[in-house]
Amino acid sequence: NAGVTQTPKFQVLKTGQSMTLQCAQDMNHNSMYWYRQDPGMGLRLIYYSASEGTTDKGEVPNGYNVSRLNKREFSLRLESAAPSQTSVYFCASSYLRDRGLGNTGELFFGEGSRLTVL
Amino acid sequence: KNQVEQSPQSLIILEGKNCTLQCNYTVSPFSNLRWYKQDTGRGPVSLTIMTFSENTKSNGRYTATLDADTKQSSLHITASQLSDSASYICVVSAMNPLDSNYQLIWGAGTKLIIKP
Repeated sequence: NAGVTQTPKFQVLKTGQSMTLQCAQDMNHNSMYWYRQDPGMGLRLIYYSASEGTTDKGEVPNGYNVSRLNKREFSLRLESAAPSQTSVYFCASSYLRDRGLGNTGELFFGEGSRLTVL
Repeated sequence: KNQVEQSPQSLIILEGKNCTLQCNYTVSPFSNLRWYKQDTGRGPVSLTIMTFSENTKSNGRYTATLDADTKQSSLHITASQLSDSASYICVVSAMNPLDSNYQLIWGAGTKLIIKP
């Protein structure tokens, strides 16, 4: 049972470089999310996709773009990386389309991608 | 502003002992509250979900309580084990007044270390 798979697990970039974080889920979930986790802070939503072909901005979308390629895959792109984007990035998925997950929904997370921008 | 605050930031206890982690929230309107466990280097995993009408919910050695009047929740861990070493994150679902959609408000977590 793979669940949610993220690649790469680690990446070091120089300021101004671009890269794409890949995420795939094999649970037939409808919604997919990209979060960032920084020390001393709660998870912050970058982008959200309720279904294939739809994406919505979260709390901190600036500097990022996303693509929901199909139901399984949701990628996050940094076009011109900045040191402020140094963080651990988590992809998550849920069967529900409700961003608040309702009273029964659960988020399933990948293992994270640790990104350092020099 | 919707906020979720957790205390303590970190906690060290001996294996076998009990502990209680706190979560206070200033979120309105409130829908439900979740506790997640995050092992070092891994993604968070759901422990329990509590709705407005629930006061107590157990999941093995984990017991969560909710007081919607005081906007407080706690997670009590009984007879701790080394594998309980992790961060525990409180998450509240609330309506965003700007678009009337529900969203998740994440706490910063409590880092729990169990020593043998």
